[in-house]
Amino acid sequence: SAVISQKPSRDICQRGTSLTIQCQVDSQVTMMFWYRQQPGQSLTLIATANQGSEATYESGFVIDKFPISRPNLTFSTLTVSNLSPEDSSIYLCSGTGDTEAFFGQGTRLTVV
Amino acid sequence: AQSVTQLDSHVSVSEGTPVLLRCNYSSSYSPSLFWYVQHPNKGLQLLLKYTSAATLVKGINGFEAEFKKSETSFHLTKPSAHMSDAAEYFCVVSGGASGTYKYIFGTGTRLKVLA
Repeated sequence: SAVISQKPSRDICQRGTSLTIQCQVDSQVTMMFWYRQQPGQSLTLIATANQGSEATYESGFVIDKFPISRPNLTFSTLTVSNLSPEDSSIYLCSGTGDTEAFFGQGTRLTVV
Repeated sequence: AQSVTQLDSHVSVSEGTPVLLRCNYSSSYSPSLFWYVQHPNKGLQLLLKYTSAATLVKGINGFEAEFKKSETSFHLTKPSAHMSDAAEYFCVVSGGASGTYKYIFGTGTRLKVLA
């Protein structure tokens, strides 16, 4: 199994600013994903982080708002840009091995 | 396209009684199916997974699930509920062309265990 370290674990940000979340995996994983969990809701996939190329975004999510990088097989970042209160959520990264995914502990973002 | 439907948003059981959390899936490919649990303010924990091996899957903490292709179901059960089982449970479907492992989460079932 893989261990995923995600930071920060929580942050409070002013509207209009940006937050960058980092995700480090302790071993190489095939794929990495970013999810959003809004209060009281399920997890929604934001995008697939592709190594060395542009991320693949799900419907309703765009690169300008959620730029993602993945410079190697064990590290990825998600930036949430131009923050508004509606962006207050938990953001999780995930890495997949052969048959299952592993999740970070999440980043709880509050926008004020 | 893949999707998963959790049929109950809330389930309440008494301690010591059986638990049944229902999940139906839709997939164009042979799916992998998972159940995750999320305790309040905690991360996601994998309970069990089905990946085309035995259709009855046993997981941690006494949970098990049965993959029924004819019914496109993957219901989660436990013979006897414990207070510590109170949490949010997510059914997840994965799999697709070229071995993609994009996870699609159900909307979740909140399990309440009554003393």
